[in-house]
Amino acid sequence: DAKTTQPPSMDCAEGRAANLPCNHSTISGNEYVYWYRQIHSQGPQYIIHGLKNNETNEMASLIITEDRKSSTLILPHATLRDTAVYYCIVRPPGGGADGLTFGKGTHLIIQP
Amino acid sequence: GAVVSQHPSWVICKSGTSVKIECRSLDFQATTMFWYRQFPKQSLMLMATSNEGSKATYEQGVEKDKFLINHASLTLSTLTVTSAHPEDSSFYICSAPRGNTIYFGEGSWLTVV
Repeated sequence: DAKTTQPPSMDCAEGRAANLPCNHSTISGNEYVYWYRQIHSQGPQYIIHGLKNNETNEMASLIITEDRKSSTLILPHATLRDTAVYYCIVRPPGGGADGLTFGKGTHLIIQP
Repeated sequence: GAVVSQHPSWVICKSGTSVKIECRSLDFQATTMFWYRQFPKQSLMLMATSNEGSKATYEQGVEKDKFLINHASLTLSTLTVTSAHPEDSSFYICSAPRGNTIYFGEGSWLTVV
């Protein structure tokens, strides 16, 4: 079972920031938070991951609460191409022997 | 650019035949690869873990004799759907870890007619 909870869908206006929440209240101290997205009919695309500090890359920012029980993925200037299902996943460090467990994710729809 | 590549992107086969899907890690070695299946409007479901040089490990409910996995080299894993039936039609996706991150292939659409 997925250890995360996400809203099933969200809308966001093009050009605005998209803020996608994720609850992971049972996260262990050494587990990372990963975000992937899946555009229709494609394989999942890695976005970003973090442990406890906020992270930023060219795609997005990840804000993790101090208690680590929730996080928010921020797409600063959403475009129509950001319409996708976004998955928040927790994973232990070096968990290379274990595949990722996907929940249902959030279907983000960017409106023109 | 892509770090994991799958082939073919889509395939149509007749019921009762077998079809092979390849998954390659590009520019890195992967002793482990993962195979997923995704039905329409559903999330990805892990089918099996492919281990280089040893047997794959299958998730509960996945028939190992039907979904044959071979991980013969550090950059290639194959999934063969044997005696395919229409209910096997699905989107099959592989992935491989590189460092702390798991990267996914583009996926392969299988349609069994």
